Amino acid sequence: AQSVTQLDSHVSVSEGTPVLLRCNYSSSYSPSLFWYVQHPNKGLQLLLKYTSAATLVKGINGFEAEFKKSETSFHLTKPSAHMSDAAEYFCASGGGYNKLIFGAGTRLAVHP
Amino acid sequence: DADVTQTPRNRITKTGKRIMLECSQTKGHDRMYWYRQDPGLGLRLIYYSFDVKDINKGEISDGYSVSRQAQAKFSLSLESAIPNQTALYFCATQSAGSQETQYFGPGTRLLVL
Repeated sequence: AQSVTQLDSHVSVSEGTPVLLRCNYSSSYSPSLFWYVQHPNKGLQLLLKYTSAATLVKGINGFEAEFKKSETSFHLTKPSAHMSDAAEYFCASGGGYNKLIFGAGTRLAVHP
Repeated sequence: DADVTQTPRNRITKTGKRIMLECSQTKGHDRMYWYRQDPGLGLRLIYYSFDVKDINKGEISDGYSVSRQAQAKFSLSLESAIPNQTALYFCATQSAGSQETQYFGPGTRLLVL
């Protein structure tokens, strides 16, 4: 069965330092992969998605993610964190029949 | 996303009560979804619908029912609410075709006492 594992439930960084949020997927085929962000009291907003084109995907707000099939990973990165990046981040995999399989989420804290 | 609206945004109810959560969209998408979010569990799919006549159970449909009244409307009902249905509920839409993005509403926070 497909699954998505977000390796850290909480990540804390200082403003201006790099961000790394880790995601591993399990699938018998190359899935579509997504990163969503959820700010407090808001719905989920798409950051970026991978759909079997370029393995390095650029998203909004300076985020990017690299699809690595050999490692079954799709980690989210940003070179320099901003206070406004503090939120919860969800990795998701296309689960067939246009369903999404979500990871448990990673809460990112950004400190001054 | 303002194109997907959910009502109510917050609801407190008592065990055994029937409640309905509503979702409307102006994106013209055929596909609609209901998820619940629980801390540490991410989002889990309750029901989904590919068109007005097509309703499918997700991974956690027990205790829930849905109605697709029109292309733009998809309602979720809790026939007899119980405390472990306390959660944040999200509606999402998607256009037809594989690998398309799902667009989420702002969520409904439900508390069952």
